[in-house]
Amino acid sequence: GIQVEQSPPDLILQEGANSTLRCNFSDSVNNLQWFHQNPWGQLINLFYIPSGTKQNGRLSATTVATERYSLLYISSSQTTDSGVYFCAAYSGGGADGLTFGKGTHLIIQP
Amino acid sequence: DSGVTQTPKHLITATGQRVTLRCSPRSGDLSVYWYQQSLDQGLQFLIQYYNGEERAKGNILERFSAQQFPDLHSELNLSSLELGDSALYFCASSLGSWGETQYFGPGTRLLVL
Repeated sequence: GIQVEQSPPDLILQEGANSTLRCNFSDSVNNLQWFHQNPWGQLINLFYIPSGTKQNGRLSATTVATERYSLLYISSSQTTDSGVYFCAAYSGGGADGLTFGKGTHLIIQP
Repeated sequence: DSGVTQTPKHLITATGQRVTLRCSPRSGDLSVYWYQQSLDQGLQFLIQYYNGEERAKGNILERFSAQQFPDLHSELNLSSLELGDSALYFCASSLGSWGETQYFGPGTRLLVL
């Protein structure tokens, strides 16, 4: 099945900083999503982005499907941005489901 | 709020027992997915139902089973529970199938003692 790798695994930043999270995937995708898991465990859907670029406030994402990677940009970080960011992809076949990376653990310090 | 509801939020039980987790999808969504998040395995796909029928199976144990009812809510049944089944169980829903955004519920945190 598809492999999803995220980097970096951990990131500690000061409030106000910008960051870029990367997701590499091993096959063409029909579905690629970014999620934020907050400290209470809730998975919040950020972007559905199998290709192209999207923006939502301070967050934006770009997926270059031909090169099999996606980037999540966070600008002007706030402490509430802390948590784990997951990339998840689906390439087809059903049995593999939505495959999640191991996540990037982001800590924003005040 | 994703619009997906899950009950209960927390569940504590003993080894060998059986539990049922419930999920109500977003209004209008036909697909329901179940995922398990554990410390050692990370987030992994268990099973998908589409409009009442099983559509895809992932890493679901034989001790686990699920179904989707005519009103589209779904239940995940976990039996003969083991310590290793302790995890966060998520339900997600989407309008159609895999090529669409999946919205996740708040999860059910299961602790097996």
